[in-house]
Amino acid sequence: EVQLVESGGDLVQPGGSLRLSCTVSRFTFSIFWMSWVRQTPGRGLEWVGNINPDGSEKYYVDSVKGRFTISRDNARNSLYLQMNSLRAEDTAVYYCATDSGYLDHWGQGTLVTVSS
Amino acid sequence: DIVVTQSPDSLAVSLGERATINCKSSQNVLYSSNNKNYLAWYQQKPRQPPKLLISWASTRESGVPDRFSGSGSGTDFALTISSLQAEDVAVYYCKQYYSPPHTFGQGTRLEI
Repeated sequence: EVQLVESGGDLVQPGGSLRLSCTVSRFTFSIFWMSWVRQTPGRGLEWVGNINPDGSEKYYVDSVKGRFTISRDNARNSLYLQMNSLRAEDTAVYYCATDSGYLDHWGQGTLVTVSS
Repeated sequence: DIVVTQSPDSLAVSLGERATINCKSSQNVLYSSNNKNYLAWYQQKPRQPPKLLISWASTRESGVPDRFSGSGSGTDFALTISSLQAEDVAVYYCKQYYSPPHTFGQGTRLEI
């Protein structure tokens, strides 16, 4: 069974930075797109962005463009989300997911809290 | 950006009865070259990540009970649970993947 494990969530002050990681196992990571999705407490899901297999193509939701960067290391079966200039509204559980267009495998999520 | 709107926001259905959740996209998500609708349905239970139920608007994922079905094309879609079971209590989301940014509906809370 495919396994995705996110890490790196923490409490951070507004304006701060954080890097999330997602390690994938039992899956041919290097040939698939990957996505980040977030969920604010008590609210719905928001697609944050995705990255193609070789990392050359990336897309983001407008609210994070210029602040967040998705990257990957295929040798380490790992996906990353670098988050800069964090705002209170970025507080959420962040999920990574395998992306075939539809998101077929998800991690359990990691909580990011932006607060002073 | 494509806006995806679900209705209703919440729904209460009796055990064994039919439940239908609607999803409307602000733009067509049917890709004419392959005749596929770029629309998926997810189920999320408390304290769990979302689970993919249906892709391409109507293709049920392996292991998903056949009481779940997806229908629709273009801009209007529906998820139907033919005979509600207790374990189906959850929040259901549709999501378009026709063009980035991919967008989710706001979710529909299904209760008994």
